Amino acid sequence: GQSLEQPSEVTAVEGAIVQINCTYQTSGFYGLSWYQQHDGGAPTFLSYNALDGLEETGRFSSFLSRSDSYGYLLLQELQMKDSASYFCAVSPPTDSWGKLQFGAGTQVVVTP
Amino acid sequence: DVKVTQSSRYLVKRTGEKVFLECVQDMDHENMFWYRQDPGLGLRLIYFSYDVKMKEKGDIPEGYSVSREKKERFSLILESASTNQTSMYLCASRKGDRDYEQYFGPGTRLTVT
Repeated sequence: GQSLEQPSEVTAVEGAIVQINCTYQTSGFYGLSWYQQHDGGAPTFLSYNALDGLEETGRFSSFLSRSDSYGYLLLQELQMKDSASYFCAVSPPTDSWGKLQFGAGTQVVVTP
Repeated sequence: DVKVTQSSRYLVKRTGEKVFLECVQDMDHENMFWYRQDPGLGLRLIYFSYDVKMKEKGDIPEGYSVSREKKERFSLILESASTNQTSMYLCASRKGDRDYEQYFGPGTRLTVT
């Protein structure tokens, strides 16, 4: 099976940079995804890494290293609206239906 | 824009009641999913469906069943609600062929008393 670990909470000030780590124990997977969820809202897709390396989407970047069983989401130029929970997720290698295994989530608190 | 809607935002039911949670998506997606979300546990997959009338168990199917009679609609059924099924329930859909992005509904907060 898969086990994903991420910090429970991170606090930072506006304008700062935050890195949310996701470490996993799995025999293999198709890729690493990240989702954002505001309080009371639906999770929304942020990024996906199919290959090792860095993927950049505006202020957000995501990184994957399969050899280190590690990935991260980087939030730059933090804004108050970035206060939310962030989940990493993997697709199991035996799956072909798009199932995702989620981490427990990291709550990011942005302060003025 | 993809839209996934769920029948209720908040629901309160009594122990032993049969509960139906409905989910509808408007983008002709093949795959649909039901998750429950609890603090500190993230999202856990209950059931998913990859086609009409097709379903597969997820990680925590006990106490639940599902129905998919039409492509756009996926229902989660709690046959006899229990207090430990008090949770946030999230529905999601996804296009077929290994597209990695899931689209989530707003969730139903179910309280079983």
